[in-house]
Amino acid sequence: DTGVSQDPRHKITKRGQNVTFRCDPISEHNRLYWYRQTLGQGPEFLTYFQNEAQLEKSRLLSDRFSAERPKGSFSTLEIQRTEQGDSAMYLCASSFSTGTGGSSTKNIQYFGAGTRLSVL
Amino acid sequence: AQSVAQPEDQVNVAEGNPLTVKCTYSVSGNPYLFWYVQYPNRGLQFLLKYITGDNLVKGSYGFEAEFNKSQTSFHLKKPSALVSDSALYFCAVRIFSGGYNKLIFGAGTRLAVHP
Repeated sequence: DTGVSQDPRHKITKRGQNVTFRCDPISEHNRLYWYRQTLGQGPEFLTYFQNEAQLEKSRLLSDRFSAERPKGSFSTLEIQRTEQGDSAMYLCASSFSTGTGGSSTKNIQYFGAGTRLSVL
Repeated sequence: AQSVAQPEDQVNVAEGNPLTVKCTYSVSGNPYLFWYVQYPNRGLQFLLKYITGDNLVKGSYGFEAEFNKSQTSFHLKKPSALVSDSALYFCAVRIFSGGYNKLIFGAGTRLAVHP
């Protein structure tokens, strides 16, 4: 078990450029989450996949943000036309659930180390 | 609105002394509560969770948390602090929305354990 893996760990980009982050969840986990964490704050939910289906998106996820999880394995988060306000740590988490509603005792979200984005 | 509050930005403790990191919540229905720890330049590591049952929950690295429904609190505790416990601690509550779930986090509490 190698845990949740995120790549790259750090990304520095110029305003207006597009960036893409990758997340590889724990292999048997069917749920995948993206969060954003800014300095001095707790993580904020962005979006959620169950297998390949994107089931929920936060209002924080503007039209410039898009996430995919093809084949229900790894996920990518793309930010188009980056702005300085996008600078943050982007965290990915995965979990395993035997059903809907979150009643399973296995529904613990395990986090990756994150991708720190700096927009200049 | 459903939320989590961590009223202390920082907690300072001497090594060997007991520590408490406070968390209060506001949710509808029965809460699912979690504690995570974050070390510098690292992701969040799961410490413990409360779903149901015994109000005192034991977790990793000697940490425990006490669920208090009447005070809507879920304080993190450890009987004897270590310098290596120094980190950022986050309390979180699971929100169920349309049958799906997500975590809402507090702003975090920085724990500093001094030798």
